[in-house]
Amino acid sequence: GQQVMQIPQYQHVQEGEDFTTYCNSSTTLSNIQWYKQRPGGHPVFLIQLVKSGEVKKQKRLTFQFGEAKKNSSLHITATQTTDVGTYFCAEIIQGAQKLVFGQGTRLTINP
Amino acid sequence: DTEVTQTPKHLVMGMTNKKSLKCEQHMGHRAMYWYKQKAKKPPELMFVYSYEKLSINESVPSRFSPECPNSSLLNLHLHALQPEDSALYLCASSRQGAVTEAFFGQGTRLTVV
Repeated sequence: GQQVMQIPQYQHVQEGEDFTTYCNSSTTLSNIQWYKQRPGGHPVFLIQLVKSGEVKKQKRLTFQFGEAKKNSSLHITATQTTDVGTYFCAEIIQGAQKLVFGQGTRLTINP
Repeated sequence: DTEVTQTPKHLVMGMTNKKSLKCEQHMGHRAMYWYKQKAKKPPELMFVYSYEKLSINESVPSRFSPECPNSSLLNLHLHALQPEDSALYLCASSRQGAVTEAFFGQGTRLTVV
């Protein structure tokens, strides 16, 4: 079935540096969601993208959905220690009510 | 109330034990899910309930038996588990039909000895 590939698997940055994680699919995605999971925590919904070329911002976080709806990215500007965690993209397989996660990008930050 | 509550938080069980994981939500969501998550891996879908009926079983072994007694509750009955079943078990819920966010519980960290 469809699966989103997420890169990189790990990213370590200095506090204040930017961070980007990417999700790619070989097929057109109907939508993409992003979740954050803190160490020892559970996934928490961040955003949903549905439209081709969509860009959404939440404070220092910028989410993009590609024009062809085959890729998406999450960019964090000027990381803070509170940004530590694993960021997952996820696709809902419509009709099946299935939420399928990418492999995740684990972000660690040097204060 | 935007919470999904899971009990217990931690569970250690032997391979011959029978135990149950519980999940509760009061958001009126009619889609509920069980996920399994191993360390450093993404959550893997196990079961989906839609309007209290099992709609998806991702080829999960029969030693895992889900149950949805009503629209607010979801159980996962465990019997004769193996050590490789040790993982974080996450419950989630979402509105039925619309493409919308899923709310996850804190999870049950299960260790099979």
